[in-house]
Amino acid sequence: SQQGEEDPQALSIQEGENATMNCSYKTSINNLQWYRQNSGRGLVHLILIRSNEREKHSGRLRVTLDTSKKSSSLLITASRAADTASYFCATASLPSSARQLTFGSGTQLTVLP
Amino acid sequence: GAVVSQHPSWVICKSGTSVKIECRSLDFQATTMFWYRQFPKQSLMLMATSNEGSKATYEQGVEKDKFLINHASLTLSTLTVTSAHPEDSSFYICSATFQGYNEQFFGPGTRLTVL
Repeated sequence: SQQGEEDPQALSIQEGENATMNCSYKTSINNLQWYRQNSGRGLVHLILIRSNEREKHSGRLRVTLDTSKKSSSLLITASRAADTASYFCATASLPSSARQLTFGSGTQLTVLP
Repeated sequence: GAVVSQHPSWVICKSGTSVKIECRSLDFQATTMFWYRQFPKQSLMLMATSNEGSKATYEQGVEKDKFLINHASLTLSTLTVTSAHPEDSSFYICSATFQGYNEQFFGPGTRLTVL
């Protein structure tokens, strides 16, 4: 079942602006991952942050994790039209032996040229 | 690396027929494969987890006799939708991972339409 909620559900910004998406989850986690999905396609892994990490960077992506609030945020800086996609957070709960992921509800990002 | 393919990418079938979807890891050995279902503008719902050589573990509410999963080798898992009905129409996505790795690698998905 879906564990997390993401907000906003939809976000529309101009090219060059920053986009921030938030994710909340319910149970203790081993790690949290962010994925991107272009319309009608599979998912692409963006970044993984472990439960003992608070912030992680990868190119124009910045992810934060607050385990006390059970929340994470994904920041995309200097957005481009090509960043238009749905973004999902996914959590790997403890214990993590099964390596299953529970996906959030997703944020549809539209970057206007 | 870590490419996963799915076949077919889309399929249209008549109600009552069975449809098989293949998921292949092309450049790695997948110890675990996952099958998801996704409705339009919604998130992914995990249907089942399959480990090579053993029976799939189905999520609550997923009919194992309707959605047959076979993971016969380290590079191939199949999902067969038996006696398909219009309500089975959906986007089915597989993913794969390997021992010691947290990330899942996703296939491009299969759009199933049951008439």
